[in-house]
Amino acid sequence: AQRVTQPEKLLSVFKGAPVELKCNYSYSGSPELFWYVQYSRQRLQLLLRHISRESIKGFTADLNKGETSFHLKKPFAQEEDSAMYYCALNSGGSQGNLIFGKGTKLSVKP
Amino acid sequence: DSGVTQTPKHLITATGQRVTLRCSPRSGDLSVYWYQQSLDQGLQFLIQYYNGEERAKGNILERFSAQQFPDLHSELNLSSLELGDSALYFCASRPRDSDLTGELFFGEGSRLTVL
Repeated sequence: AQRVTQPEKLLSVFKGAPVELKCNYSYSGSPELFWYVQYSRQRLQLLLRHISRESIKGFTADLNKGETSFHLKKPFAQEEDSAMYYCALNSGGSQGNLIFGKGTKLSVKP
Repeated sequence: DSGVTQTPKHLITATGQRVTLRCSPRSGDLSVYWYQQSLDQGLQFLIQYYNGEERAKGNILERFSAQQFPDLHSELNLSSLELGDSALYFCASRPRDSDLTGELFFGEGSRLTVL
């Protein structure tokens, strides 16, 4: 079964501390994984995709096929990073739907 | 605004009633996706349309139905509403030339409250 698991509902850190938001997936085949972010009162938007191997707003995520994980990391959290983060898996194909995890709310305290 | 637009933004209704949520995809996008967001379940995929045809179905109840019209806008119909249907309903569209990008563009959502 295709599934995305985000074990933490809430993650609270202080400004400047490292952040790691966990994501594990279940998928037979080569997965396409993404992180989406929803800031307060804004629409859900793409943060980064594994295939691009990019760093956006200081965030990175590495696909680990052995551990079936795609954790999102940032070395120094900022208050403006406070948001809801969703890990997502493409169900298949260029027009497949995305399967989302339940999300992790990141709170960065001053 | 050429982004995904959804109406209404907020809707309050009673149990047993029926509502229609509307979505217009981004200009040029053929795919429309509907998601339900609730506190406990996160973002649940409901249904997808591509150029007027149903492409995939997720956890959509039989009381719910959807369609995509020739002008590519989509409507999600929710009937015999129950308290548990209260949620934020998101629509998203996807560029047609999006091989391997996977990016969905989301609307602001329609917040449904069933009393």
